[in-house]
This record gives sequence, structure tokens and C-alpha cells, in this order.
Amino acid sequence: GAGVSQSPRYKVAKRGQDVALRCDPISGHVSLFWYQQALGQGPEFLTYFQNEAQLDKSGLPSDRFFAERPEGSVSTLKIQRTQQEDSAVYLCASSLLIGLVQPQHFGDGTRLSIL
Amino acid sequence: RKEVEQDPGPFNVPEGATVAFNCTYSNSASQSFFWYRQDCRKEPKLLMSVYSSGNEDGRFTAQLNRASQYISLLIRDSKLSDSATYLCVVNKPRMNYGGSQGNLIFGKGTKLSVKP
Repeated sequence: GAGVSQSPRYKVAKRGQDVALRCDPISGHVSLFWYQQALGQGPEFLTYFQNEAQLDKSGLPSDRFFAERPEGSVSTLKIQRTQQEDSAVYLCASSLLIGLVQPQHFGDGTRLSIL
Repeated sequence: RKEVEQDPGPFNVPEGATVAFNCTYSNSASQSFFWYRQDCRKEPKLLMSVYSSGNEDGRFTAQLNRASQYISLLIRDSKLSDSATYLCVVNKPRMNYGGSQGNLIFGKGTKLSVKP
């Protein structure tokens, strides 16, 4: 389909391992967002890209979290030395334009479980 | 005060009932408002944008009161398929990049269960 695609859908890792989560936004969408959603909570903003530029990373909880979008399309969220509190659903969203706030289109998310 | 606050729920209503969700936001400079719907173990999906004059889409009516920083969503004649979590969403305006684009702030969500 033409929606936002995330992989893997599920990821189980041992505490201390590094993980990489991938997001393939809708083709042509300029803006890309990463969110973290804990159980029973709404999504919480992590970081925002406009094309390849990471313009806002204020929501990243620690320096163990790193995101990139080198060619302005696919993005990767990396979490180093994972901890149990990193267990959550990681959602990626994209929107077409910049300027006025656009509704965002979300992927299915990656469910990360840290053992 | 949380940036976006919603009724805690859950709301359990019979089919055909009218149900109202309320939401307040703290940043008076916010310009864009949305209601998203999230089904269990699924991604959030845009239900409707909320405009200053209020807007309606079928059985759904959204209203915005900027003075009170209050947003509402009314669902009339509720259906079983309306069962979901409803997320109130507000933008957090930031002027230091790319114009007025800002990240979205989500409320915790209110769970609705429509029963036969």
C-alpha cells in the first residue's frame, strides 16, 4: 500500500542490546515524526525531520536514542544499550508539507519489548 | 498542568447513545487541533480536524473554544464500530524552524466502549 511502513512490527531484545527501527514514510512526504507510546498513554513526541534535517529532537529521552533520515525519505530510530523502560510502541508518522500543521499519517508501529 | 488533558474514561454506552468527549490544552498559542481515533493495538488515525467555527462530519461534531482552551467531540447515534480510544491532539507551536510547524501533543486518550 501507499501508507507509512514500519519494520519490524515486533522486536524483542535483551537489556543492553542495541536496536534499530525503520520507517518508510509516504512517498513525497516532507515531514517525518517519531513518537513513543507506552501502554495506556497517548503517543509522546520524540523527534522531527524536515526532509533530511532533524529540526527537533527535544523529545528524545536520553542520548541512547538516535534518529537519522540521511536521504530525506527512510528514517531509522536507534536505541543503544536498551533498558526495560524503553519497552513501548514506537510510531512513525509523516505529513506532506511544512508550514501550517498538517494531519499526520501513522504507521502501524514497532512494538519493542526489552527483557 | 498537562499540555493536553482529557476525560479519563472509560465511557461505556449503549448503541444509539450520544457521547461527548472533552479536552483542554495549556498553550494558548496552539493553532491546530485534531481528534484522532486509535483502535486497540493499532496506529492512531485522523478522525477530524477541529476548526474555530466548529465542524461536523456525519455523526461527529467537533467544537473549539479558544478563550477557554477547550475542545470537544460529540458522537451521536453511537455504533458498535465507534468503540476505540479517542485522542485529543494539539500542536505545540515553535517558531525556530521552518515556519509554524510544530510537533503534535497528544492527550492520554479516552476509551469508548459501545455495547449492544
